[in-house]
Amino acid sequence: QKEVEQNSGPLSVPEGAIASLNCTYSDRGSQSFFWYRQYSGKSPELIMSIYSNGDKEDGRFTAQLNKASQYVSLLIRDSQPSDSATYLCAVIPGGGSYIPTFGRGTSLIVHP
Amino acid sequence: DTEVTQTPKHLVMGMTNKKSLKCEQHMGHRAMYWYKQKAKKPPELMFVYSYEKLSINESVPSRFSPECPNSSLLNLHLHALQPEDSALYLCASSQNQGVQPQHFGDGTRLSIL
Repeated sequence: QKEVEQNSGPLSVPEGAIASLNCTYSDRGSQSFFWYRQYSGKSPELIMSIYSNGDKEDGRFTAQLNKASQYVSLLIRDSQPSDSATYLCAVIPGGGSYIPTFGRGTSLIVHP
Repeated sequence: DTEVTQTPKHLVMGMTNKKSLKCEQHMGHRAMYWYKQKAKKPPELMFVYSYEKLSINESVPSRFSPECPNSSLLNLHLHALQPEDSALYLCASSQNQGVQPQHFGDGTRLSIL
């Protein structure tokens, strides 16, 4: 069973702080890693993709991948109340089916 | 608004009804997916179409019947659903069934009476 683990939270941070969301995965052959943001009652929205070790920055978002330790994280700088949502980590495992495994999501609350 | 369009946005149906959910994308993607999502759970894969052929059926009950008329359209035909089938149904597409990310539509909120 290929697993993706996330702390369900909620993670509560004050406005303007850095929110750090973490995800671990079990399949060492995993190839692609994605972060989705999902507001309550809405559909998942892709916010970051990362494929190789290191950091990838896009605006206030930074994704970090460490394949040796099998974790991927998402940093949100200058957090805003509008960032309050559930963040889903998705990992495409090895094996050839190319179907992403989703974590259960971390609920983020940014309070003013 | 997303580039994957789903209709209807909301659907209420009785257990004896037949209805269809529709999904359309014009990004030239060749893989399309149906997911079911319950509250506070991650999306759960139902079906995958790759180049208009059914690639994966995750042991979904036969009361759900997918159809891919062409590379831009994906339907999900519903018949004799159960109350536990009430959920958010999400369509997604990706460039192909590979390492690229999936892009989701806004979903159809389905309620079974």
